[in-house]
Amino acid sequence: GQQLNQSPQSMFIQEGEDVSMNCTSSSIFNTWLWYKQDPGEGPVLLIALYKAGELTSNGRLTAQFGTTRKDSFLNISASIPSDVGIYFCAGQDAGGTSYGKLTFGQGTILTVHP
Amino acid sequence: ETGVTQTPRHLVMGMTNKKSLKCEQHLGHNAMYWYKQSAKKPLELMFVYNFKEQTENNSVPSRFSPECPNSSHLFLHLHTLQPEDSALYLCASSQDLVGRGMIRYNEQFFGPGTRLTVL
Repeated sequence: GQQLNQSPQSMFIQEGEDVSMNCTSSSIFNTWLWYKQDPGEGPVLLIALYKAGELTSNGRLTAQFGTTRKDSFLNISASIPSDVGIYFCAGQDAGGTSYGKLTFGQGTILTVHP
Repeated sequence: ETGVTQTPRHLVMGMTNKKSLKCEQHLGHNAMYWYKQSAKKPLELMFVYNFKEQTENNSVPSRFSPECPNSSHLFLHLHTLQPEDSALYLCASSQDLVGRGMIRYNEQFFGPGTRLTVL
């Protein structure tokens, strides 16, 4: 089956620092999604990417769909304490019998020290 | 209520119990999903319902039984579970578009989850 490698697994940063995380896949995806999960809650969609090379921002968050369609990254600028949580990438299949299914990365646990 | 709601939020059950998890979406979506989230593992897709028909069963043991009576409600019936089934069970929904013989899957919106503990 498909696999997504998300890194880093965890990050400990100071408030105000920038953050970068990425996902790589063993196969091509036609959509990349980035979610954030707060403790005790379900994942919330942050950014959706639909085209290779696409660069999309949502406030202090910026994400890019890699040109090979096998990777994506998420940047958070000027981090604040409420950025704490688990960030997941998810890829949507490009075809075959699993068309449309989401494959999730393992998550990046972000801790922000005030 | 807005978005995707799940009840109960927490459930503790013995291995011989029968219980059900409920999910309701208030977004007018036509597809619903059950995921399992275990510690230090990626989210695992369990079941998918598109237009009330089950289209995916991701090799889930028969002790988990889904039910989708209409496009707004999804249940997960549980019986004779094992301790390793303890996890956060997440429901999600999406508005999938059908056209030209294929389905375009859109972003999934998640509920808050049910934290299940099997003793």
